[in-house]
Amino acid sequence: GEDVEQSLFLSVREGDSSVINCTYTDSSSTYLYWYKQEPGAGLQLLTYIFSNMDMKQDQRLTVLLNKKDKHLSLRIADTQTGDSAIYFCAEGRSNYQLIWGAGTKLIIKP
Amino acid sequence: NAGVMQNPRHLVRRRGQEARLRCSPMKGHSHVYWYRQLPEEGLKFMVYLQKENIIDESGMPKERFSAEFPKEGPSILRIQQVVRGDSAAYFCASSPPGGARETQYFGPGTRLLVL
Repeated sequence: GEDVEQSLFLSVREGDSSVINCTYTDSSSTYLYWYKQEPGAGLQLLTYIFSNMDMKQDQRLTVLLNKKDKHLSLRIADTQTGDSAIYFCAEGRSNYQLIWGAGTKLIIKP
Repeated sequence: NAGVMQNPRHLVRRRGQEARLRCSPMKGHSHVYWYRQLPEEGLKFMVYLQKENIIDESGMPKERFSAEFPKEGPSILRIQQVVRGDSAAYFCASSPPGGARETQYFGPGTRLLVL
């Protein structure tokens, strides 16, 4: 199938690291993406990684890609209340089509 | 520079009515994409349009759904004779010429509820 799989919820304490996981299906996908959706807002592109990379870091965000297992993760260091949102994993197909996971809701506990 | 605008943000329709969803792309963007998100599912691609042209409508249901992006004005996604299963969030994205995935900017979505 063409499913991208994610857990629906993740709960972490403020200040801890959050790790959101995703598995995808198409080994030929060249780009993998993480989007953030805050309540009532559109989808914001957070970061993306090219399939010939295994890691990408951008400030508090670290993306890890295990191409053999088709596994992608997003680590958010020092999670803050402003990080509360739904995080979507997506894989790129063709030049413009994105195949999306169902999103992981990140809940921050004080 | 305003982002991608969608209206209405919420739309309630009774079964059998028509729903019209509008999307104004970012300034300078000539490519528009429509996605549908059913509850607890990821977004599903519906259609990709450039001004006055449908490039790819492979994700759009063959009946009752249509999309346009006229030379002037917003892109319109039209759903005729809505049914309860059409209840979803509909997202629009736009991109500049070239249409690369990483340059798709998303609007806030229209939440359609069919009673």
